[in-house]
Amino acid sequence: TQLLEQSPQFLSIQEGENLTVYCNSSSVFSSLQWYRQEPGEGPVLLVTVVTGGEVKKLKRLTFQFGDARKDSSLHITAAQPGDTGLYLCAGGTNTGGFKTIFGAGTRLFVKA
Amino acid sequence: SQTIHQWPATLVQPVGSPLSLECTVEGTSNPNLYWYRQAAGRGLQLLFYSVGIGQISSEVPQNLSASRPQDRQFILSSKKLLLSDSGFYLCAWDSGTDTQYFGPGTRLTVL
Repeated sequence: TQLLEQSPQFLSIQEGENLTVYCNSSSVFSSLQWYRQEPGEGPVLLVTVVTGGEVKKLKRLTFQFGDARKDSSLHITAAQPGDTGLYLCAGGTNTGGFKTIFGAGTRLFVKA
Repeated sequence: SQTIHQWPATLVQPVGSPLSLECTVEGTSNPNLYWYRQAAGRGLQLLFYSVGIGQISSEVPQNLSASRPQDRQFILSSKKLLLSDSGFYLCAWDSGTDTQYFGPGTRLTVL
């Protein structure tokens, strides 16, 4: 069974601090997505990474796909209260039919 | 551009009553469609997915069923709701690639 483990599960920080969220697996994924979800809303796609070692930046967010395509990280610089939400990673696999595996999420709370 | 709609946005139903949640996608053809349930503040549990009209795969045996009567319409149903069916239900689509796009969700409360 393929699993994606996210850590930490919960993070509460002050505005202006930096943070990193991790998404790890023992399985290889063809791609990996990061989503952000606010309460009562559907997850919104932030980024898709497909190449081992790939780094993508989205304003203050930096996403990295591990060289072996088994893990990923999301780094936020100078966090703001608007960054508060549930961050989900999802791995795409095309073994035995195409499937997406979701992590349990990291809940981030940024205090003003 | 593609859009995905879900309704209703919120629903309060008594135990034992039927359920019908609808999801429609616009701007794409032959999408893969998915139903997920999410417990409060938690990750996503895949319930059903469909790769075409009338084709439904169930991931978790339970009190729910799904149907796809049209290419871009996905329906989640139950004949008799249980308290444990309460949750946040999300519909998603993809075009056969890795990335799924989610609807706004339906908050179901069973009393």
